[in-house]
This record gives sequence, C-alpha cells and structure tokens, in this order.
Amino acid sequence: GAVVSQHPSRVICKSGTSVKIECRSLDFQATTMFWYRQFPKQSLMLMATSNEGSKATYEQGVEKDKFLINHASLTLSTLTVTSAHPEDSSFYICSAREIGSGETQYFGPGTRLLVL
Amino acid sequence: RKEVEQDPGPFNVPEGATVAFNCTYSNSASQSFFWYRQDCRKEPKLLMSVYSSGNEDGRFTAQLNRASQYISLLIRDSKLSDSATYLCVVNKINSGNTPLVFGKGTRLSVIA
Repeated sequence: GAVVSQHPSRVICKSGTSVKIECRSLDFQATTMFWYRQFPKQSLMLMATSNEGSKATYEQGVEKDKFLINHASLTLSTLTVTSAHPEDSSFYICSAREIGSGETQYFGPGTRLLVL
Repeated sequence: RKEVEQDPGPFNVPEGATVAFNCTYSNSASQSFFWYRQDCRKEPKLLMSVYSSGNEDGRFTAQLNRASQYISLLIRDSKLSDSATYLCVVNKINSGNTPLVFGKGTRLSVIA
C-alpha cells in the first residue's frame, strides 16, 4: 500500500517554542492531506484539511494562527505548532489521499509531542 | 449526539472466540464507512471498507445498516494478534475533501 512518513516521530520541547512536523507521501501524489490530533484514550480529532497550493481549512475550535499548515507540493505538508504549551502535548497524525484512489486514506506513523 | 459512537470496551475474549463490535453514526448522508485498527501508540491502519451489501475478508465480516445508521464488525476465531483498538470511521460529507470522522474505538484483548 501507499506509504506516508512523518518527521520527527517524537519531540520534546520547552514551553513557548515552535515545533514543525512534516508529512510526506513517499510513493504517490496527494492534493489533500489531513492533520489529526489524538489525546490519550480519545479518538482522532481532525484539526485541518491541507490542500496543495491553497489555504488549509481548519475545524471549529482549532486556531489557525497557532497551528500553521503549509502544503507546498503534492508530496509534502507541514504543521507548525507555534508557541507550544503543555496542553498541546499530544499525538499528531497526518493522512493523505492518493489522487484517484477514492476514499482510502493512508496514515503517517504519527508524531508524539511533549511540551515541558 | 456524537458523530460516531462506539462501545469503548474493553472486550476480553479467549483465543478462538467470536466477537462483534457495533457502531452508530449520526449523519444520514454519510457515504463511506470503514473499520480501522489501531495498536497502542501507533497510527490507525485500514482493516476494511464497509459496503451496503456486507463484506467479508477472511475472519472479518463487516455489515452496514443505512436505515439504522449502524455498522458492525465480526471477528471469528480470534487470535492473540487481533488485540488492538478497532475504530469505526465514517466520511465527513460537509466538505469536498471528505476527511474522516473517527469513533473513540473499541478495545479488544484476546487472551490465551
């Protein structure tokens, strides 16, 4: 199946710093990528839909100025958590849908963020 | 009402048992349905899509009841390796890019 990578897999940072997470589709092109967040024992919650070449669409309650998304190419989307705080500590997962593949989405392995 | 609801479990079953999970969804206009599997501290992985006519993949059988907005997953002859959290997933149709909406998941532990 299609492969999606994320980098870094784990990051620990101090409160107030910014963290960038990359999501890449390795063997396919994706016009749309999705960013999810999962807190312990909770379901994945969609944060935003990232569209190549245009502005991301954010879900209600997600601050676009805090979670900056850039989707500059058909294989790369980045999520930057700006001025991270301990409450931003979570498991961030991206997914990508291959052009022409219908509804199937392929997930990256996730990034564990811990803000001290 | 939550968009996708599942019994969180846990379901603790012996090897070889048959176990069934249920899920309900709130948006009657949803068109795509899936079961994903998530292992501890890992990303979700697609287990199977769910079709209106019901579908089977080896020991796994999925059923969809659109009238009741109800989805099920049946696992026969459970293996230890089936231990995981099973996520009921429905597409979010009020967006042209149709992201997915996840249930909280049902945890399964298969015991030797």
